[in-house]
Amino acid sequence: EPEVTQTPSHQVTQMGQEVILRCVPISNHLYFYWYRQILGQKVEFLVSFYNNEISEKSEIFDDQFSVERPDGSNFTLKIRSTKLEDSAMYFCASLSGTLLSTDTQYFGPGTRLTVL
Amino acid sequence: AQSVAQPEDQVNVAEGNPLTVKCTYSVSGNPYLFWYVQYPNRGLQFLLKYITGDNLVKGSYGFEAEFNKSQTSFHLKKPSALVSDSALYFCAVNHAGKSTFGDGTTLTVKP
Repeated sequence: EPEVTQTPSHQVTQMGQEVILRCVPISNHLYFYWYRQILGQKVEFLVSFYNNEISEKSEIFDDQFSVERPDGSNFTLKIRSTKLEDSAMYFCASLSGTLLSTDTQYFGPGTRLTVL
Repeated sequence: AQSVAQPEDQVNVAEGNPLTVKCTYSVSGNPYLFWYVQYPNRGLQFLLKYITGDNLVKGSYGFEAEFNKSQTSFHLKKPSALVSDSALYFCAVNHAGKSTFGDGTTLTVKP
C-alpha cells in the first residue's frame, strides 16, 4: 500500500539554524499538508499546498516558514531560523484531491525536530 | 469555524471489555469526521471516517464509530478491547481538505 514518507525521522539543530524537513507524498495525490504536534499537545495545521502554491496557512506559519515542491516527488518544509518553540513533531500529509472534504488524509511517520 | 472536542484526556479499560472514546464536533455545513490513532513515536494512522449514510461506521482493527447528528457526536467504540489498542486517539473534522484535530485521548487497556 502506498504511504507518505518523511526524512529525517529526528533532526537536532541549534537555535537560529535553518532546517529543511522532507516528505514524499503518495504519488498520485494532489494536495499536500504540514501539521505539527508539540509534545503532549494536539496536532495543529500549518499549511496546505496545491498546484505549486500555498492554498491555506495558519497563523503559526509565519515568515520563518516556507514550503516547496522542488520536483515531482518531494514536498519540503523549511524553517529559516529555528526557535526553541519550534521543537515539535512535524507531520506531512497528502490527499488525492478528488473530493477535498471527504478524502482521507494520509500522514507520514513524522519528523521530530529538537531545537537546542 | 470548525472544532472538535474530546472531553476525556484518558480512558482506562480492562482487556476484553468494551471501550468508548468520546468526540463531539461543531461545524457549519456537513460534518466529515475522522478518527486517527497514534502509537508511541509513530505517525497518525487512519482508522475510519464518516461522510454520509449509515450512522455506524466500521473501520480498521475492529473499531467502529457512531455518528449522532442530534448530539453532534462521533464516539469511537470497540466491543472488546485489546492491550495492543493502547495508544493516543484523535478525532478530526475535515473541511476543504484541512483537518482540525481534537486534543486527543490516551487509551490504556490493562490485562
